[in-house]
Amino acid sequence: KQEVTQIPAALSVPEGENLVLNCSFTDSAIYNLQWFRQDPGKGLTSLLLIQSSQREQTSGRLNASLDKSSGRSTLYIAASQPGDSATYLCAVNTNAGKSTFGDGTTLTVKP
Amino acid sequence: DTGVSQDPRHKITKRGQNVTFRCDPISEHNRLYWYRQTLGQGPEFLTYFQNEAQLEKSRLLSDRFSAERPKGSFSTLEIQRTEQGDSAMYLCASSLASGSVEQFFGPGTRLTVL
Repeated sequence: KQEVTQIPAALSVPEGENLVLNCSFTDSAIYNLQWFRQDPGKGLTSLLLIQSSQREQTSGRLNASLDKSSGRSTLYIAASQPGDSATYLCAVNTNAGKSTFGDGTTLTVKP
Repeated sequence: DTGVSQDPRHKITKRGQNVTFRCDPISEHNRLYWYRQTLGQGPEFLTYFQNEAQLEKSRLLSDRFSAERPKGSFSTLEIQRTEQGDSAMYLCASSLASGSVEQFFGPGTRLTVL
């Protein structure tokens, strides 16, 4: 059974700081890994998707890496802003459609 | 807007009542997923469809839960004889069945069972 863990559960940083969020998974037989952002009481917004054959993906100030063999992914946020405050979730997906989510990291960026 | 939509956005019901939620996926997406999320937790997979076929159901989906996607477009999730433990956010997502299979989520339906 796939298990996904996100550390830390919460993180508070001052504006402008670079930060790294971690995601680990127990079964390396994945199709892809997706990072999401969730604002309180809202749905999920897709940030980055990394296929199992890829090592990293970048979008603006975000960079996600994947090390399938060690069961780890990181989300790097550069030059954090107060608007980045949200919960960040990673999901590990099989090609059969099933996704397993971590419980997220709640990020607070202080002005 | 051509994103995933869900209706209603909020539902308050009394224990024992039946509720039904609707999800309209992105029009060209043939896969549709249902998840349940409780406070402080990540979403938990409930079930998914490819076109009108329900291909996988989680053990979380008890006999009181049923999902349909009769024409391969919109989907409904029904909960019968609701219990207080059913209170949660119910999220719907859609994707293509090939390529990246990137999932796009709707805004969710918040269910409160009194």
